[in-house]
Amino acid sequence: EPEVTQTPSHQVTQMGQEVILHCVPISNHLYFYWYRQILGQKVEFLVSFYNNEISEKSEIFDDQFSVERPDGSNFTLKIRSTKLEDSAMYFCASSESNLPTETQYFGPGTRLLVL
Amino acid sequence: AQSVTQLGSHVSVSEGALVLLRCNYSSSVPPYLFWYVQYPNQGLQLLLKYTSAATLVKGINGFEAEFKKSETSFHLTKPSAHMSDAAEYFCAVSTNSGGYQKVTFGIGTKLQVIP
Repeated sequence: EPEVTQTPSHQVTQMGQEVILHCVPISNHLYFYWYRQILGQKVEFLVSFYNNEISEKSEIFDDQFSVERPDGSNFTLKIRSTKLEDSAMYFCASSESNLPTETQYFGPGTRLLVL
Repeated sequence: AQSVTQLGSHVSVSEGALVLLRCNYSSSVPPYLFWYVQYPNQGLQLLLKYTSAATLVKGINGFEAEFKKSETSFHLTKPSAHMSDAAEYFCAVSTNSGGYQKVTFGIGTKLQVIP
C-alpha cells in the first residue's frame, strides 16, 4: 500500500541553524500538508500546498518557514533559523483532493529537537 | 472557527473491556469527523470517518463511532479491547475553508490496555 515517507526520523540542531525536513507524498496525490505536534499538545496545522503554491497557512507559519516541491516527488519544510520552541514532531500529509471528506495520509513524522 | 475537545488525555481499560474515547466538536459549518490512530513510531492512520452518509460509522480493527449532532459528539467505541489497541487516538474535524480542506485535531487520547 502506498505510504507517505519522511526523513530524517530524528533531527537535532542548534538554535539559529537551518533545518530541512523531507517528505515523499503518495505519488498520485495533489495536496500536501505540514503539521506539527509539540510534546503534550495537539497536532497543529502549519501549511497546505497545491499546484506549487501555498494554498493556506496558519499563524504559526511565519517568515522563518518555507515549503518547496523541488521535484516531482519531494515536499520539503525549511526552518531558516530554528528556535527552541520549534522543537516538535513534524508530520507531512498528502491527499488526492481538497474535499472536506477526503482522507489525509500521514507520514511517520520527524522529531526535531532544537538545543 | 472549529475545534475538537477530547476528554481524557489518558484512558486505561482492561483487556476485553469496552473502549470509549470521547470527542466533542465545535464548528460553524457542517463538519466531517475523523478518528486517527498513531502507533509508536508510526504516522497517523485513519480509523474511520463521518461523511454524512450514515451517523454510525464502522472502521478498522472493530472500532466504530456515532455522530450525534445534538450532542456535538463523535465518540469512538470498541466492545472488547485488545492489547494491540494500545496507541494514541486523535479526533479531528474537517471543513471546507475557502475552497480548501481544513483539518483541526484534538489533543489526542493515549489508550492503555491492561492485561
